[in-house]
Amino acid sequence: AQSVTQPDARVTVSEGASLQLRCKYSYSATPYLFWYVQYPRQGLQMLLKYYSGDPVVQGVNGFEAEFSKSDSSFHLRKASVHWSDSAVYFCAVRAGYNKLTFGKGTVLLVSP
Amino acid sequence: ETAVFQTPNYHVTQVGNEVSFNCKQTLGHDTMYWYKQDSKKLLKIMFSYNNKQLIVNETVPRRFSPQSSDKAHLNLRIKSVEPEDSAVYLCASSRLGPQNTLYFGAGTRLSVL
Repeated sequence: AQSVTQPDARVTVSEGASLQLRCKYSYSATPYLFWYVQYPRQGLQMLLKYYSGDPVVQGVNGFEAEFSKSDSSFHLRKASVHWSDSAVYFCAVRAGYNKLTFGKGTVLLVSP
Repeated sequence: ETAVFQTPNYHVTQVGNEVSFNCKQTLGHDTMYWYKQDSKKLLKIMFSYNNKQLIVNETVPRRFSPQSSDKAHLNLRIKSVEPEDSAVYLCASSRLGPQNTLYFGAGTRLSVL
């Protein structure tokens, strides 16, 4: 069965600093991997996704993520965060036609 | 731009009442979903429909029942609400296929008194 772990429940960074949100997945093969963001009182929006090819994928608003098969990870990064990036970030995994499974989410707070 | 519409935004009710939530998507997708998000932001899929056919039915209490009139609509009915049903219910849609993105509505927040 597939699963995904986001070890950091909450991350605080200063505006302009770099960011990494961690995600580890569990699945025997390479699954489809996603990062979604949820702003307050809104639904989720996809930032980026990966299945194959270049392990570094670019997403919206300057976000990127790097897939590592050896580490079973799919960490999200941003070079310089803005206060508007404050939100909840979810890593998600999908293996074949199974359901999309979300991690517990990481609350990102960007301080001025 | 919103393309998955959920109504109502909020609903407050008492234990034992019946509630219904509506969801409509204008993206032309063939697959729709209901997710439950609890107060800790945990997301769990409840149901998934493809072309009006139920394809995913997680272990949810029998008082929950999805209703699909066509592939653009997926409603959720809760027959007799319980306090633990208080949550945000998120509707989503996508094309069928594991690589496809899910598009979410803004959610319906249910409070059971």
